[in-house]
Amino acid sequence: QQQVKQSPQSLIVQKGGISIINCAYENTAFDYFPWYQQFPGKGPALLIAIRPDVSEKKEGRFTISFNKSAKQFSLHIMDSQPGDSATYFCAADGYGQNFVFGPGTRLSVLP
Amino acid sequence: DGGITQSPKYLFRKEGQNVTLSCEQNLNHDAMYWYRQDPGQGLRLIYYSQIVNDFQKGDIAEGYSVSREKKESFPLTVTSAQKNPTAFYLCASTQNGRGRNEKLFFGSGTQLSVL
Repeated sequence: QQQVKQSPQSLIVQKGGISIINCAYENTAFDYFPWYQQFPGKGPALLIAIRPDVSEKKEGRFTISFNKSAKQFSLHIMDSQPGDSATYFCAADGYGQNFVFGPGTRLSVLP
Repeated sequence: DGGITQSPKYLFRKEGQNVTLSCEQNLNHDAMYWYRQDPGQGLRLIYYSQIVNDFQKGDIAEGYSVSREKKESFPLTVTSAQKNPTAFYLCASTQNGRGRNEKLFFGSGTQLSVL
């Protein structure tokens, strides 16, 4: 119930390509779905977040797609750049809940 | 600049030793959290505190202890009862309490290793 599944575990993309990371959850009490970006040796930082009242949110090259009925959400990085190389975590939160994080996806963007 | 400061950056523990990780925030946030990060795993919640002098166990509290004597400080002690302490430890905060759908602010972490 509390688990958030994330795939793939690692991803290699050419510069300019599209990176796609997928997550799925079970707990219907979750109503906030953020993505965090982490560089080696640093703490994660919020990248973008979505609430289930919308199906898509876009901020620059980053887009979250949300499918409430399937309990799935994904991160799309358009025009991927070498500077996007990092580990990405999806997460879920809800009233009275603790944040639950996916296991992470290590993205490498080749120049 | 407001933020969360963790120290030290690297820490080594000997067998049977307790060690304390420091976390200080100047964001005036009410809630603070400690997470453990292992390679290939997501962040797991150790303890959290929503108010001074009060804290709650997270998912993996065994072998750890915390205190919250001041709003800005939330130190974590890794005790000798924690048999596998090697990990990257992250301190975080939110403006209000848990489950409020708020942004988590993270420190830069402490890498703890066993000698």
